[in-house]
Amino acid sequence: GAGVSQSPSNKVTEKGKDVELRCDPISGHTALYWYRQSLGQGLEFLIYFQGNSAPDKSGLPSDRFSAERTGGSVSTLTIQRTQQEDSAVYLCASSPGRFGLTDTQYFGPGTRLTVL
Amino acid sequence: DAKTTQPNSMESNEEEPVHLPCNHSTISGTDYIHWYRQLPSQGPEYVIHGLTSNVNNRMASLAIAEDRKSSTLILHRATLRDAAVYYCILRDFFSGGTSYGKLTFGQGTILTVHP
Repeated sequence: GAGVSQSPSNKVTEKGKDVELRCDPISGHTALYWYRQSLGQGLEFLIYFQGNSAPDKSGLPSDRFSAERTGGSVSTLTIQRTQQEDSAVYLCASSPGRFGLTDTQYFGPGTRLTVL
Repeated sequence: DAKTTQPNSMESNEEEPVHLPCNHSTISGTDYIHWYRQLPSQGPEYVIHGLTSNVNNRMASLAIAEDRKSSTLILHRATLRDAAVYYCILRDFFSGGTSYGKLTFGQGTILTVHP
C-alpha cells in the first residue's frame, strides 16, 4: 500500500520567506510526527499529533514554526520568516496510534529545505 | 528519558554477520528497545523491537542481555543494502497515551559494508 508521502521533495527559499511543507500519512494512521535532520546532526523531534488530542509541540524550536493537521489526515508544517539555520531535511512519520501494539513509525522520504 | 550509547561506526564485509551493540544501563522496566535504520537519502525505517526476550524477524535478530542493560542487533548476512545508520531507541510502553509518542534519536552507528 501507499506509504507516507511528502511534498515538495526539495524546496529552496530566500531568507525571510515563509514555507509550507506537506505530509500525507498512511491511511488510517491516527498519529503523525514531524522531525528534522540538519546536516551532520541527528534526527530532532518537532511536533506530534494523536487523533483529536492537543498536539505535543514541545520540539518546535521557535514560534516561527507551526503545524496543523486537517481532518485527522494531511499535515502542513509552516516555517515563517525562514532563517539559514532552518535548512534541513524535514521528515514526517505516521503510526497506527493503537495502544498496546508496537506502534511502529513509518517515515516519508523527507523534504530538503535550503534557505539562501 | 533513559539514554542509549552506541559506537559511532562499524565496518563489515558483505555476507558476514554484523553485531551492532547498544548500551542502555538506565533502562526502566517499561522501556521497550527499538531499532530503526536510515539508509542514505531516505527516512528511517523500523527494524525490530523487544522487551526482555530475544526477537527475530525477517530483517534481523535482537539479543537482549538478561539484565536488559545492553542489547545487540544482529544482521546475519550483511548486504551492501544494509549500509545505513542504525539507531537504538528506548520507548516507554506507557508514554504518550494511545501512542508511544516521539522517537528520541541519538547519533546512531554508521555501518559500512564492504563488497
